[in-house]
Amino acid sequence: GENVEQHPSTLSVQEGDSAVIKCTYSDSASNYFPWYKQELGKRPQLIIDIRSNVGEKKDQRIAVTLNKTAKHFSLHITETQPEDSAVYFCAASTSGGGADGLTFGKGTHLIIQP
Amino acid sequence: KAGVTQTPRYLIKTRGQQVTLSCSPISGHRSVSWYQQTPGQGLQFLFEYFSETQRNKGNFPGRFSGRQFSNSRSEMNVSTLELGDSALYLCASSLVPGGAEAFFGQGTRLTVV
Repeated sequence: GENVEQHPSTLSVQEGDSAVIKCTYSDSASNYFPWYKQELGKRPQLIIDIRSNVGEKKDQRIAVTLNKTAKHFSLHITETQPEDSAVYFCAASTSGGGADGLTFGKGTHLIIQP
Repeated sequence: KAGVTQTPRYLIKTRGQQVTLSCSPISGHRSVSWYQQTPGQGLQFLFEYFSETQRNKGNFPGRFSGRQFSNSRSEMNVSTLELGDSALYLCASSLVPGGAEAFFGQGTRLTVV
């Protein structure tokens, strides 16, 4: 089955700086890569996703890049703000196919220092 | 439009008992997936239902089971509870199977004592 590795496990950045979280996946059949944000005591929320036919996607201060050859994808957050503090999870799946649902990374605790 | 609703929000059970959790997906969504979240193992896939059929199942023992009704609402059942089953159980709904654009419910916090 799919295996997703996520780094770093904890990331502390100064407010206003950029944050980058990286994930690698093992199954070349995976074609859908979402990112979820989970604040303490709350549900995971989908913040951005990318499909394998696209190399990059942006949504305001958030962007995701995908390198299919290397099997890795990254989340980039620019101009970080205190409300960006949360745990971020990457995931991979074979959407629409014989999937095992979403396989998640272990999460990155992002801390925004004022 | 209403989001994904899970009931109950909190449960305390004793070892050996069984428990049933419920999930109502977003209106129009026919796919419901279940995940177990623990501090040690993170988010792990339990199973997925689409149009009342189980499409796939994660690496969990047979004590974990589920079903989906014709209105897409889903239940999961855990029998013979163990202490290690204490976790946050999350369900996610999506239009298509495979987890694309899946939206999560707030979860059911299960504590086994």
